[in-house]
Amino acid sequence: DTAVSQTPKYLVTQMGNDKSIKCEQNLGHDTMYWYKQDSKKFLKIMFSYNNKELIINETVPNRFSPKSPDKAHLNLHINSLELGDSAVYFCASSQASGGRGYTFGSGTRLTVV
Amino acid sequence: GQNIDQPTEMTATEGAIVQINCTYQTSGFNGLFWYQQHAGEAPTFLSYNVLDGLEEKGRFSSFLSRSKGYSYLLLKELQMKDSASYLCAVRERGGNKLTFGTGTQLKVEL
Repeated sequence: DTAVSQTPKYLVTQMGNDKSIKCEQNLGHDTMYWYKQDSKKFLKIMFSYNNKELIINETVPNRFSPKSPDKAHLNLHINSLELGDSAVYFCASSQASGGRGYTFGSGTRLTVV
Repeated sequence: GQNIDQPTEMTATEGAIVQINCTYQTSGFNGLFWYQQHAGEAPTFLSYNVLDGLEEKGRFSSFLSRSKGYSYLLLKELQMKDSASYLCAVRERGGNKLTFGTGTQLKVEL
């Protein structure tokens, strides 16, 4: 029983392409997030949705567009991929005031060549 | 904004005790979390402190001092499988956004 699942696990693509990463959680949480982990292992928040509403939008290029069709799903679409977009992208979910913080998905390793 | 500091790397011996420190500055504190992340895997929740004091959970304990902006994670009876990155994260009031430190890479040796 996977709590937070994201697909694909690996994604290798050429510069300039458009790609999507999907995330689903079956924990009944009301808030979902996208984090980016760079080569130095620093985890930085990108977006957060609460019940399909965007509540956090950090300084992220507008080539990145999140979409939440319902509170169990949060997808990330990236246009015109650049070399610097190469990273591991983690989806996570939580209750709005959770004392356990987040539950993370297994990550998507994106490599732009 | 927030500033979270942790040592970059630590090395310890199997069976020993290690303490990983985290200092933070925040405008509105609402909880501190510790996560463990093995190479190539997702971070997993270890502990949560919102009040001052020590929270113990098996071999792992976490301490918080809000007045000092300081926390530590204590790992006892170290095992080889404890070799991982340990991430300190702070939540601010008014939301559920976690801001992470850069992580401490712990290496457990024989």
